[in-house]
Amino acid sequence: NAGVTQTPKFQVLKTGQSMTLQCAQDMNHEYMSWYRQDPGMGLRLIHYSVGAGITDQGEVPNGYNVSRSTTEDFPLRLLSAAPSQTSVYFCASSQTGGLSYGYTFGSGTRLTVV
Amino acid sequence: KNEVEQSPQNLTAQEGEFITINCSYSVGISALHWLQQHPGGGIVSLFMLSSGKKKHGRLIATINIQEKHSSLHITASHPRDSAVYICAVRETSGSRLTFGEGTQLTVNP
Repeated sequence: NAGVTQTPKFQVLKTGQSMTLQCAQDMNHEYMSWYRQDPGMGLRLIHYSVGAGITDQGEVPNGYNVSRSTTEDFPLRLLSAAPSQTSVYFCASSQTGGLSYGYTFGSGTRLTVV
Repeated sequence: KNEVEQSPQNLTAQEGEFITINCSYSVGISALHWLQQHPGGGIVSLFMLSSGKKKHGRLIATINIQEKHSSLHITASHPRDSAVYICAVRETSGSRLTFGEGTQLTVNP
């Protein structure tokens, strides 16, 4: 089925460990983004990309890196995990240009840093 | 002050009631989205609006661009409507979405 695929669904990390959250979409969407969701707060943008080779920071980029080598994939890297990065992470994609598009979200990754 | 404010934060209703969730925003937008997040966490896009009104089944979304306000209505609410409803705006300056904190709706049988 077409959509946004996030892996893993759950992850527990120790402080200081690194990991990559994977996000892939098969809809040829130009725009991809990563959000984190914390209790009592709205979804916050971490990083986004408007196309292959182009990335930019969002609202809360510190501690995270991204790359966009292909249209399909937009991995999020935690270089040295901290307890403050315990959260639920969502990847989303959409077409850019014009107004007639919506966003498709992945199913989320629940990350716990101990 | 958040750029996107939702009210109420929590809402409990009895099955069959008419539900209204409000969203106000302070930035210029090109589109407003209503999203639904069920227990278990998946997020589904319900509506995207740039003007007027849209209807899908028992759900109705309206937007008033001049007043920077949108409402999501649920008619004949049902326990399966229990979820968090999230308002998000796409600012005119780009593709980014800014999200409200969400409204937790519980519909009791």
